[in-house]
Amino acid sequence: AQSVTQPDIHITVSEGASLELRCNYSYGATPYLFWYVQSPGQGLQLLLKYFSGDTLVQGIKGFEAEFKRSQSSFNLRKPSVHWSDAAEYFCAVGSGTYKYIFGTGTRLKVLA
Amino acid sequence: DTAVSQTPKYLVTQMGNDKSIKCEQNLGHDTMYWYKQDSKKFLKIMFSYNNKELIINETVPNRFSPKSPDKAHLNLHINSLELGDSAVYFCASSKTSGTLGYEQYFGPGTRLTVT
Repeated sequence: AQSVTQPDIHITVSEGASLELRCNYSYGATPYLFWYVQSPGQGLQLLLKYFSGDTLVQGIKGFEAEFKRSQSSFNLRKPSVHWSDAAEYFCAVGSGTYKYIFGTGTRLKVLA
Repeated sequence: DTAVSQTPKYLVTQMGNDKSIKCEQNLGHDTMYWYKQDSKKFLKIMFSYNNKELIINETVPNRFSPKSPDKAHLNLHINSLELGDSAVYFCASSKTSGTLGYEQYFGPGTRLTVT
């Protein structure tokens, strides 16, 4: 069965430090992969997506993610975190028809 | 302009009542969704509609009845509300055109509290 795993429930980093959020997926075919961010009390906003082609994708707010088929991973990275990046981050995979499976989320805390 | 809107934003009601949540998208998308996010932030799909036709029904109790009057609207009616229905409900839309690969756009959510 298709699934998405985000191993880290909480991550705390200092402002200005680099960030990597992990995402592993289980899917039989070529996956469509997404990262969303949810600020407190808000809906989800798309950060970036991977469908095909270049395995390193750039997104909004300075985020990037790398698709590694051999590791079934799609980790999100940012070289320098800002206090406004504190939020919940969700990885998702397009599964089957009209269905998306979301990971359980990683809550990012940024220390000043 | 708001791409995906939901009303109301907050809904507080008592057990046993019936309530509705409305969703509208102005993106011209052909597919709309309802998600439930529980207190642990777990996001689970409930329904998916494509061109007003129900595509996905993820073992949701039949107390939940979605209705799509047209491609731009997807409403959620809940009968006989229970305490366990308390959650944040998100509407989303996407353009699918027969293949999966388009991102979803989410509404701001409706926080439902059942007392």
